[in-house]
Amino acid sequence: SAVISQKPSRDICQRGTSLTIQCQVDSQVTMMFWYRQQPGQSLTLIATANQGSEATYESGFVIDKFPISRPNLTFSTLTVSNMSPEDSSIYLCSVGTGVFGELFFGEGSRLTVL
Amino acid sequence: AQTVTQSQPEMSVQEAETVTLSCTYDTSESDYYLFWYKQPPSRQMILVIRQEAYKQQNATENRFSVNFQKAAKSFSLKISDSQLGDAAMYFCAYRSRNYGQNFVFGPGTRLSVLP
Repeated sequence: SAVISQKPSRDICQRGTSLTIQCQVDSQVTMMFWYRQQPGQSLTLIATANQGSEATYESGFVIDKFPISRPNLTFSTLTVSNMSPEDSSIYLCSVGTGVFGELFFGEGSRLTVL
Repeated sequence: AQTVTQSQPEMSVQEAETVTLSCTYDTSESDYYLFWYKQPPSRQMILVIRQEAYKQQNATENRFSVNFQKAAKSFSLKISDSQLGDAAMYFCAYRSRNYGQNFVFGPGTRLSVLP
């Protein structure tokens, strides 16, 4: 298993600003994943963060909007840039570990954009 | 591409009773993993149970068990002796055995537990 700390847990942001979410894992992991969960919806993968290389983005998500850093094997950040109300969501950091690669999640960061 | 369907947006169960949440999936692969995740109102996603597709025996974790029907591509979750703390969103998820591929999550089922 893995213990994942995410911050901020919630924030209220103004349109046009940017916010960086931090994710810290208690063990070294190869891949970290960032998900978005829009209100009342399921999880959508934004990108996979690999240490030492560029993040891999899923269709519909671009680096300019969601830049990701992965400076070491235990830490990653996701920035939500130039926010609009449509970016109001829960953003979840996760890692895949164990024999089955099951995902473990942080508590999530609930962003509200006014 | 794989898809996961949960046909019950909401379910309710009486405390101490048993409830079954449905999940079906579509894949052309023969080797994969299936999971049930729970997301309480506090929102941290927690792994409930997992199943390997090549194992015929249904997984069990305490009060949680699955009914895995590979030919029917069905993976239901049974919660026995339901407790108030079981109230949450439950997500069914699929992952190919080829590590690194996406998890595919279903839309979720909101479970209410009535005292």
